[in-house]
Amino acid sequence: SQTIHQWPATLVQPVGSPLSLECTVEGTSNPNLYWYRQAAGRGLQLLFYSVGIGQISSEVPQNLSASRPQDRQFILSSKKLLLSDSGFYLCAWSALAGGYNEQFFGPGTRLTVL
Amino acid sequence: GQNIDQPTEMTATEGAIVQINCTYQTSGFNGLFWYQQHAGEAPTFLSYNVLDGLEEKGRFSSFLSRSKGYSYLLLKELQMKDSASYLCAVMDSNYQLIWGAGTKLIIKP
Repeated sequence: SQTIHQWPATLVQPVGSPLSLECTVEGTSNPNLYWYRQAAGRGLQLLFYSVGIGQISSEVPQNLSASRPQDRQFILSSKKLLLSDSGFYLCAWSALAGGYNEQFFGPGTRLTVL
Repeated sequence: GQNIDQPTEMTATEGAIVQINCTYQTSGFNGLFWYQQHAGEAPTFLSYNVLDGLEEKGRFSSFLSRSKGYSYLLLKELQMKDSASYLCAVMDSNYQLIWGAGTKLIIKP
């Protein structure tokens, strides 16, 4: 069966510090991978998605970046965090083919920028 | 633009039935998803509709009308553990999910 891991679970960082969140998927090959952010009481905002190694699409211009160094690894980074970067960050995967494409979510990382 | 509308919050009584509505306007349509999200946790998949009609899965059912851009999630025999947010999401022509803000459902004894 497929599993998706994210770490860390919680993170408190000062403004201007760097960020690295990691997501890995097990039990599947060539997944679509996604990074979402959810502000308190809000819906999911798609930040990045990837259909393959080294292929990243950005949905929202901001100070965040993403990389996919391996097939089942997706990393979210920032060089300098802003207060507005606080939120609940979710990684998700789905099967690569088009059509019915249910997304499965990792446990999330709660980031607080102070 | 693309838009998904859901009520912000609903309250219901344990053992009762509740219907959560979702209306959408998207660039293309490749299916509608409902997810459940407990506070502080990740969303989990509940249902998928791509054709008009009702899909039943235990205590939960989901309905779709593509001509009206409308769906609802019906929860029967409500239990306290059903207290959560319910997210409606539509897959657009690019096979990307467009998410609603979610409906927070409060269950009272």
